[in-house]
Amino acid sequence: EIVMTQSPATLSVSPGERATLSCRASQSVSSNLAWYQQKPGQAPRLLIYGASTRATGIPAKFSGSGSGTEFTLTISSLQSEDFAVYYCQQYNNWPPITFGQGTRLEIK
Amino acid sequence: QLQLQESGPGLVKTSETLSLTCTVSGISVSSSNYYWGWIRQPPGKGLEWIGSIYCSGSTYYNPSLKSRVTISVDTSKNHFSLKLTYVTAADTAVYYCARQLRPAGHFDYWGQGTLVTVSS
Repeated sequence: EIVMTQSPATLSVSPGERATLSCRASQSVSSNLAWYQQKPGQAPRLLIYGASTRATGIPAKFSGSGSGTEFTLTISSLQSEDFAVYYCQQYNNWPPITFGQGTRLEIK
Repeated sequence: QLQLQESGPGLVKTSETLSLTCTVSGISVSSSNYYWGWIRQPPGKGLEWIGSIYCSGSTYYNPSLKSRVTISVDTSKNHFSLKLTYVTAADTAVYYCARQLRPAGHFDYWGQGTLVTVSS
């Protein structure tokens, strides 16, 4: 099973600034990685797939990069609606599909 | 408009079977472009993939749950279902159904989720 590790667990950033979230895989997942945003009481929403392709309707402020075992989600010009929990997910070698434990992005 | 809606009991007794159905509207579950998956989230915790099914009936399960899980699809009703046997308090979670891209594997549409509590 591929273990996904996200860091940091909690990230405090001021509105208007940029946030950088990390996700590491225990073995290479090529570019088969997705990022999701989850707000309280809501289902996760797909942001990025293929490590760097934005999903339909996702603004350009969200960008993904990386391949192999190291991945980054960058969110620019943070606004109040961006503060949420973010998960990475690998789908290179499944079953099982595995998620990271999440990074909580909070207002500083 | 694509919609997925989970339904089923919100309370299940310990050692019994959890049964949920995901009704899909706006697209046929018979589409060759997708799998259909179940993911759960215990209160305050992260996401755990339970398993996925293809319209042919091929299933893919999380090894950690495989002995207790059955996922099935009913193309005539355009829905797919989850059964989890011998539940314990550790199975208390919000259960989501989702559409999964094939052959890729990411989830692009999710249901709103349904909370299932396991209690004696």
